[in-house]
Amino acid sequence: QVQLVQSGAEVKKPGASVKVSCKASGYTFTSYDINWVRQATGQGLEWMGWMNPNSGNTGYAQKFQGRVTMTRNTSISTAYMELSSLRSEDTAVYYCAREADAGDFDYWGQGTLVTVSS
Amino acid sequence: SYELTQPPSVSVSPGQTARITCSGDALPKKYAYWYQQKSGQAPVLVIYEDSKRPSGIPERFSGSSSGTMATLTISGAQVEDEADYYCYSTDSSGNHGVFGGGTKLTVL
Repeated sequence: QVQLVQSGAEVKKPGASVKVSCKASGYTFTSYDINWVRQATGQGLEWMGWMNPNSGNTGYAQKFQGRVTMTRNTSISTAYMELSSLRSEDTAVYYCAREADAGDFDYWGQGTLVTVSS
Repeated sequence: SYELTQPPSVSVSPGQTARITCSGDALPKKYAYWYQQKSGQAPVLVIYEDSKRPSGIPERFSGSSSGTMATLTISGAQVEDEADYYCYSTDSSGNHGVFGGGTKLTVL
């Protein structure tokens, strides 16, 4: 069965960087784009960007341009999202999601809580 | 940047029809998708490509789109349908996604 398993919770200081991983199983990793979505406590979903695991091509939301980097390691079917220059407003649960052929997000990771605090 | 607009809240009694709207300038050309999110859980897809229902989603969930507005309809809403609902689409280029602000559905 398809699964996306994310890395554990992180606590970071302002100005630091965080790298969240998303390990895929149950399907061919390079066949589907991975998107990243975040959600601050009590707030809505926020789309961050996408990555094509086959080509490595990416597309980022304008808000995160210059601060976010999405990469992958195809040998271990894992996608990564790194966010730099963290500030308190980046405290959120970060999700990876597989993008199906129809453009929907059909499978989601369990979420990774990133807390930014001095 | 591109935005999708949803009402913050919708409230209905059990058995009534709930309608949640989502407006965006690119919706005439881009599909809308709808996600249900219950507290503490990851979102679940309930409608894709404007009006298609994934397997396992009850028939009471339906979607439509006309012009710059997409609509999620829950016919005969149940108490278990209480959740936050988000529409999702892309900008006209198709390269950047966006979620609506979310609508809290109350069924009581």
